[in-house]
Amino acid sequence: SQKIEQNSEALNIQEGKTATLTCNYTNYSPAYLQWYRQDPGRGPVFLLLIRENEKEKRKERLKVTFDTTLKQSLFHITASQPADSATYLCALAGGSSNTGKLIFGQGTTLQVKP
Amino acid sequence: DVKVTQSSRYLVKRTGEKVFLECVQDMDHENMFWYRQDPGLGLRLIYFSYDVKMKEKGDIPEGYSVSREKKERFSLILESASTNQTSMYLCAMGGRPHNEQFFGPGTRLTVL
Repeated sequence: SQKIEQNSEALNIQEGKTATLTCNYTNYSPAYLQWYRQDPGRGPVFLLLIRENEKEKRKERLKVTFDTTLKQSLFHITASQPADSATYLCALAGGSSNTGKLIFGQGTTLQVKP
Repeated sequence: DVKVTQSSRYLVKRTGEKVFLECVQDMDHENMFWYRQDPGLGLRLIYFSYDVKMKEKGDIPEGYSVSREKKERFSLILESASTNQTSMYLCAMGGRPHNEQFFGPGTRLTVL
């Protein structure tokens, strides 16, 4: 069955460092991969997506890579700030039967310490 | 800005009650979704709808039903609430063209 895993439940880093979150998947060939941010008690917010034929995507301090051979995406936040503290979810989309549904990972909770 | 609203932020119900959770989107999009989110289990899809009166079961539909009479409105119904349905319920709308999802603020439901 399709499976998506995010490398760890929690990640603690110091302000100013780069945070790197990992998303691995199996038994799926997604057309694209998406990343979301979720704050406590609120719904996830879409951040950015990367297509299967793209290796890297950037948006301000965010960078996403997508390796379809390794079946892995890396999500980087450079110059991290305490305000970046949140849970980050990856999600797979598309594939052979594009129904509009997403498969979500369980999330990694990032804590950026001042 | 895309807006997805949910009828309540917090709800407390008793076991056996019928519960309606309503979701409204303002973008005239076809796809809408209901999830529940529990600690350690992540987001789990209950039902989704790809057009008016069209629905499809997700991963955990048992104990739930849905209604989509108008494009902008997607309702989740708990026919007879049970304590194991205590959870955060999230509604989402599917965007175009890449199916990015826009979520509502969530309803934290407690069933006593």
